[in-house]
Amino acid sequence: GNSVTQMEGPVTLSEEAFLTINCTYTATGYPSLFWYVQYPGEGLQLLLKATKADDKGSNKGFEATYRKETTSFHLEKGSVQVSDSAVYFCALSDPGGYQKVTFGIGTKLQVIP
Amino acid sequence: DTAVSQTPKYLVTQMGNDKSIKCEQNLGHDTMYWYKQDSKKFLKIMFSYNNKELIINETVPNRFSPKSPDKAHLNLHINSLELGDSAVYFCASSPGVFTEAFFGQGTRLTVV
Repeated sequence: GNSVTQMEGPVTLSEEAFLTINCTYTATGYPSLFWYVQYPGEGLQLLLKATKADDKGSNKGFEATYRKETTSFHLEKGSVQVSDSAVYFCALSDPGGYQKVTFGIGTKLQVIP
Repeated sequence: DTAVSQTPKYLVTQMGNDKSIKCEQNLGHDTMYWYKQDSKKFLKIMFSYNNKELIINETVPNRFSPKSPDKAHLNLHINSLELGDSAVYFCASSPGVFTEAFFGQGTRLTVV
């Protein structure tokens, strides 16, 4: 079946550091890929998405590129802020017609001043 | 306007009780979901409904029964609650395949 693998956290960075959170996926077809963010005590919010190979999703300084050859969708940000502290989930939408979104385990990011 | 709303936000109850969580979306989406998030933040899909029809039931105990009275609502009823049911339950909706899901704020269920 489909699956998403992402690095376990927590990831602790100093403010203005460079962020990479790795994500790889397994899917039978050509899924759409997403990054969601969950701030403490809140629900999940879509951060960015990419729907086909080589697409780059971007939002709020975050970027991720859909790499079909490596089945990856790594999240990057050049300079993190304390307000970026949250849990980040990589996800894919099932291309098999079951209309479900499969999530990775989530990576907790802590940014310290 | 809240896109996906679920109530209650917090629910504390004793083992053996029956409880319901309600979810409504005003986005006009065809598909709605229930996800369970455990204490380690792992998200697992429980159910998916498309136009009021059950599409996915991910080996959830039959103590959990979803009900979709119309396309905009997907409620979750839980019978004979157990300690292991304690988690955050998220309702979500999406317009269809290959699209992102929109999440409610979650219901934190604590079984004591």
